[in-house]
Amino acid sequence: GEDVEQSLFLSVREGDSSVINCTYTDSSSTYLYWYKQEPGAGLQLLTYIFSNMDMKQDQRLTVLLNKKDKHLSLRIADTQTGDSAIYFCAEGHNNDMRFGAGTRLTVKP
Amino acid sequence: NAGVTQTPKFQVLKTGQSMTLQCAQDMNHNSMYWYRQDPGMGLRLIYYSASEGTTDKGEVPNGYNVSRLNKREFSLRLESAAPSQTSVYFCASSERVGRGINQPQHFGDGTRLSIL
Repeated sequence: GEDVEQSLFLSVREGDSSVINCTYTDSSSTYLYWYKQEPGAGLQLLTYIFSNMDMKQDQRLTVLLNKKDKHLSLRIADTQTGDSAIYFCAEGHNNDMRFGAGTRLTVKP
Repeated sequence: NAGVTQTPKFQVLKTGQSMTLQCAQDMNHNSMYWYRQDPGMGLRLIYYSASEGTTDKGEVPNGYNVSRLNKREFSLRLESAAPSQTSVYFCASSERVGRGINQPQHFGDGTRLSIL
């Protein structure tokens, strides 16, 4: 099965908060990442959190990490139509990075 | 600042043909990677190069070869293309910070490859 799991779809209204969830299996992961992919483009690094942190905030983005449950979430405040994209969760340590299948976020006006 | 540049952006091949996907990075990163992206499956690592002169297999290496030409360039070769290799291919690079720990990876815009 998948090492990193995410739900495939999320739909929100413009102005609402979006929360994208991710679970991972490797407790030795040193970094956990969120990437954004817009249509026809590569993956853009949004933010990442080191495994000894619980939370990281960067403007509209908040990352929460629960190491006990191996659960990572990305909250986007005041979601805009430009936030519509696929969001990938990834875990990494050493040379290995494992990606989830991606969550397609649709923002309705 | 170009970051990670991949060529070509699109390619259509016939079964059995060969081709090389090119990747170059201008961030002086030590580590480089090749992934393939298929619908509903996220990204899967094909090969990586932890440093110039070294390459290692990832999760799905069969049917591919790689060359780390120098620190900047990492190419992926399909010797005899098969329809199952139809995919979007991404190259990435990252800086190694010691004892196997890498900084986040930076991605190119991808090569969309169709094999008929």
